[in-house]
Amino acid sequence: GAVVSQHPSWVICKSGTSVKIECRSLDFQATTMFWYRQFPKQSLMLMATSNEGSKATYEQGVEKDKFLINHASLTLSTLTVTSAHPEDSSFYICSARVPGQAYNEQFFGPGTRLTVL
Amino acid sequence: AQSVTQLDSQVPVFEEAPVELRCNYSSSVSVYLFWYVQYPNQGLQLLLKYLSGSTLVKGINGFEAEFNKSQTSFHLRKPSVHISDTAEYFCAVNGGYNKLIFGAGTRLAVHP
Repeated sequence: GAVVSQHPSWVICKSGTSVKIECRSLDFQATTMFWYRQFPKQSLMLMATSNEGSKATYEQGVEKDKFLINHASLTLSTLTVTSAHPEDSSFYICSARVPGQAYNEQFFGPGTRLTVL
Repeated sequence: AQSVTQLDSQVPVFEEAPVELRCNYSSSVSVYLFWYVQYPNQGLQLLLKYLSGSTLVKGINGFEAEFNKSQTSFHLRKPSVHISDTAEYFCAVNGGYNKLIFGAGTRLAVHP
């Protein structure tokens, strides 16, 4: 159980376009999902916490107008990179927390590789 | 504030040798600790977790970790590694507001 999927697994886009990444919890309802960014050979950097039915909470230094997060249902959160530029190229990973757990175990999606040309 | 320090950025080891990946943490709240593994171009997979109880935790793929409160450590061990264990390993501790705090990662490279 506790499977999280992401779509697409990779995407290439032109500079200035917007890209949407989907994160789905397949066998559980996730009131809280997380979006991370990972640069090559580095750790995960938390970008934002996505809460179903409310606004996302962004980490310091993350532009909320550039990285739009929508958590419209208990199984789907989306991250939209608006007006993408080459420096936005990265590996984006989402995770979901099973409701009711006190210990914050997160289940991770397989990641989305974004390349902006 | 919570933090995690992974003391080794890279650990090279020969196949069938034992390995230990080191992790130290600091936390001002209840400590829950996790080890995740990441294979190239993939998300993170949970290896094991410490929530409470026995300080020796067994996980998947033959890995185990020991929670040491006095030394604030949670080192990951495997008695005999395989080529397929080559990956990036992340230690994490629970943070506030449902967050996980990750270490910088340790790249385990298993050589034949």
